[in-house]
Amino acid sequence: GAVVSQHPSRVICKSGTSVKIECRSLDFQATTMFWYRQFPKQSLMLMATSNEGSKATYEQGVEKDKFLINHASLTLSTLTVTSAHPEDSSFYICSARDPLWQGSSYNSPLHFGNGTRLTVT
Amino acid sequence: KQEVTQIPAALSVPEGENLVLNCSFTDSAIYNLQWFRQDPGKGLTSLLLIQSSQREQTSGRLNASLDKSSGRSTLYIAASQPGDSATYLCAVGQGGGSNYKLTFGKGTLLTVNP
Repeated sequence: GAVVSQHPSRVICKSGTSVKIECRSLDFQATTMFWYRQFPKQSLMLMATSNEGSKATYEQGVEKDKFLINHASLTLSTLTVTSAHPEDSSFYICSARDPLWQGSSYNSPLHFGNGTRLTVT
Repeated sequence: KQEVTQIPAALSVPEGENLVLNCSFTDSAIYNLQWFRQDPGKGLTSLLLIQSSQREQTSGRLNASLDKSSGRSTLYIAASQPGDSATYLCAVGQGGGSNYKLTFGKGTLLTVNP
């Protein structure tokens, strides 16, 4: 089945530094990827929709200048947390639509990466 | 604004029991509902996807039902095993085309004791 690979799985950084998280679709092309954030004991919250070759669409309340998304190829989307602060510590996870789905794209199951645990000290 | 609620928040059962996890949502205008499994510190594994026109889906020991009009879904796990221990997430899909998004519940933490 479709595999989404996310790297790194864990990262610890100092306050004020920037961290890049990569999301790759293995063996399939993903024109759209989704970035989520999950705080402990909370729901996954959609941060932004990443579209290959165009600007990402951010959800209300998500700072686009702080969370930079680049979807430069059909298999790679990156999320950069700029000037990270302790309150940015969270679990970040990306997903992509099932490439083999035969129905409407909006009904497609999503395949998720294994997530990145970011800790900002 | 869509809100997804999962009950119970946590559940502990002995091995072999059948169990039901509940999910409710406030806006019934959905395209689909998806159940996921999340292991600690890991990503999500899709278990079942129910289209809005469907009533249920089955995969092995798992059966998910959907009552869109009442805003409810259940995930039934038969003959539970310790390996089923994980957090189970319910998510509803809404919005057409590029506006499509999933709204998740907080999950049910399931522990199956040997």
